[in-house]
Amino acid sequence: AQKITQTQPGMFVQEKEAVTLDCTYDTSDPSYGLFWYKQPSSGEMIFLIYQGSYDQQNATEGRYSLNFQKARKSANLVISASQLGDSAMYFCAMRESDGLTFGKGTHLIIQP
Amino acid sequence: DSGVTQTPKHLITATGQRVTLRCSPRSGDLSVYWYQQSLDQGLQFLIQYYNGEERAKGNILERFSAQQFPDLHSELNLSSLELGDSALYFCASSPRLAEKFFGPGTRLTVL
Repeated sequence: AQKITQTQPGMFVQEKEAVTLDCTYDTSDPSYGLFWYKQPSSGEMIFLIYQGSYDQQNATEGRYSLNFQKARKSANLVISASQLGDSAMYFCAMRESDGLTFGKGTHLIIQP
Repeated sequence: DSGVTQTPKHLITATGQRVTLRCSPRSGDLSVYWYQQSLDQGLQFLIQYYNGEERAKGNILERFSAQQFPDLHSELNLSSLELGDSALYFCASSPRLAEKFFGPGTRLTVL
């Protein structure tokens, strides 16, 4: 069974609209961390945001926020006021103990 | 720029050969992680070192090995290369146990 599921292989969004990228996870470990990364066409992996399983509040970093719904095992990334430069692959990942387990990614394309 | 450097940027080699990928973590970061990104397998954790010691192993093949040196740089050695080893290999570093900073990657092509 997949530990990280990203159900949207691709998304087209109009510039300036808000975007929600879905991520659900599967773990029985009470202590875990959830990450989102952006991978532009140039290939580098850029850390965006982190949410710990015990964090009481949803994480935010500038235009990025993480909608963490623990009971649903959901950790959706919300990008407010999307920009053309947001076009990229987005990966959700989970850390339980050793290393990160990544989802298959969502290819986000922002249209002018 | 994450502060993590990887060399070389690109590597083209033949089946059966051996290559070494190098990673320099951010200054002061003790943890180094290696990941492989391929079209069929996606992103997979290979191995982690912390302050010179192997800390965790993921889906790393026996033909692959790694080490972290006293100056904290790390090398990933890939031997008896196969076509399926063609991938983007990332190194990540962190002061603690969370991979926040990825290097630009080494793109390996095995012909």
